[in-house]
Amino acid sequence: QKEVEQDPGPLSVPEGAIVSLNCTYSNSAFQYFMWYRQYSRKGPELLMYTYSSGNKEDGRFTAQVDKSSKYISLFIRDSQPSDSATYLCAMRGGSARQLTFGSGTQLTVLP
Amino acid sequence: EAGVTQSPTHLIKTRGQQATLRCSPISGHTSVYWYQQALGLGLQFLLWYDEGEERNRGNFPPRFSGRQFPNYSSELNVNALELEDSALYLCASIFRGYEQYFGPGTRLTVT
Repeated sequence: QKEVEQDPGPLSVPEGAIVSLNCTYSNSAFQYFMWYRQYSRKGPELLMYTYSSGNKEDGRFTAQVDKSSKYISLFIRDSQPSDSATYLCAMRGGSARQLTFGSGTQLTVLP
Repeated sequence: EAGVTQSPTHLIKTRGQQATLRCSPISGHTSVYWYQQALGLGLQFLLWYDEGEERNRGNFPPRFSGRQFPNYSSELNVNALELEDSALYLCASIFRGYEQYFGPGTRLTVT
C-alpha cells in the first residue's frame, strides 16, 4: 500500500464549477502538507502549504487538512480553463525532509 | 528573483551511457532535492544535498549519484543507463522553511 493515495482521475468539470481534490495517507508522522500544480511537461508549482490540521485559503483555493482522518483536500472555486493541469498532493514529517507525493489528479476545466 | 534552473532541458542517451544533469537552486537556498518522475510512477525522491553533503537518498541503486558544489548548485549523475531511467528529473530547493520549489526538469530519454 502506498503511503499517499490520490485518485488519478481524469476529472473533467465545466468552467465555474467547484473542484474538490483529495488525498489520503497512512503515515501519522506527516505534519506538513502541500498542493502542487503541474502543467504538461513542466515542473510542479507550489500552490498551497499547510501545517498540521486546519484550513487555509488563498484566493480561489482552499486547502483542508484533517489529521484525525488522515485526509487532505484542495478546493478550487470558480474553476477556469487555465486551471487544467495535474494536481499533486505532497507531505512530509518526522525525520524525513523529502516530500512524499500522491500520484496526481488530472483536471480539465471545459470552457 | 530567479527560480530553480535545470540543464539541459532534454537529454537523449543510449543504454549503458552516463548522464549528467545540473541544477541551480534559488539564490540563498542551501538544500537541493532530486526527484524522478517516471510515467505512471509519480514523483519519487532520489537524493537530498545540504551544505555540500548528501543527507539522504531514496530507494534507488548506487548508479544514481550526485554532488553539491560550494555555490549550492548540484549535479545528478546516472551511470550505466537503463531504458527504465527514462523520466523527467526534477530538482527542488529550499531554504529554512518547508516549501520546496521545483525547477522545470530535465527530460531524459534512454534508447
